[in-house]
Amino acid sequence: GAGVSQTPSNKVTEKGKYVELRCDPISGHTALYWYRQSLGQGPEFLIYFQGTGAADDSGLPNDRFFAVRPEGSVSTLKIQRTERGDSAVYLCASSLGLAGGNEQFFGPGTRLTVL
Amino acid sequence: QQQVKQSPQSLIVQKGGISIINCAYENTAFDYFPWYQQFPGKGPALLIAIRPDVSEKKEGRFTISFNKSAKQFSLHIMDSQPGDSATYFCAASSGSARQLTFGSGTQLTVLP
Repeated sequence: GAGVSQTPSNKVTEKGKYVELRCDPISGHTALYWYRQSLGQGPEFLIYFQGTGAADDSGLPNDRFFAVRPEGSVSTLKIQRTERGDSAVYLCASSLGLAGGNEQFFGPGTRLTVL
Repeated sequence: QQQVKQSPQSLIVQKGGISIINCAYENTAFDYFPWYQQFPGKGPALLIAIRPDVSEKKEGRFTISFNKSAKQFSLHIMDSQPGDSATYFCAASSGSARQLTFGSGTQLTVLP
């Protein structure tokens, strides 16, 4: 079956603009995660959804970042008033959730560049 | 408490050699330890994972060794191939906090 997909693959925006990043998880996966990966570093956790609700949003750096998953499948990460420091690859992962192990499968990421 | 420390930062081995990457953790609540392989421009791909009830897990040329008392685990790549050249990340998570905490990565180069 299809893996995790993310759109767009690349996003270039200007400082202060609003952006939305989309994630389509593997069908049947109830858990969805967002991570951020800066150049030369490991992914860092942002937020975790179990179903429609955010089970843990402790990794969101500030209130400019917000994510939703209204129907328990597709998720959107929203960043307001973007800053140059937001430039990174945003990764989405999905897993079977509480019903299974914690094997997380990642999408290809969205590379965000804030000019 | 949440940190996972990974070494070395980079590693160069000859084709056919053994690549060894090490990780150490502090949080004793961690109960799941995966390794991911990442190629440039791609997302991390799950390679192999272990839980602390076993000391070793082998899948093909990849083996995880786990030392619970030392809070360390390592990835061994046997018969390393140029196609294995990538960045490898160790990670850990716990049952209560399912997000993965990643190491800083090891850039592996396998020379032909």
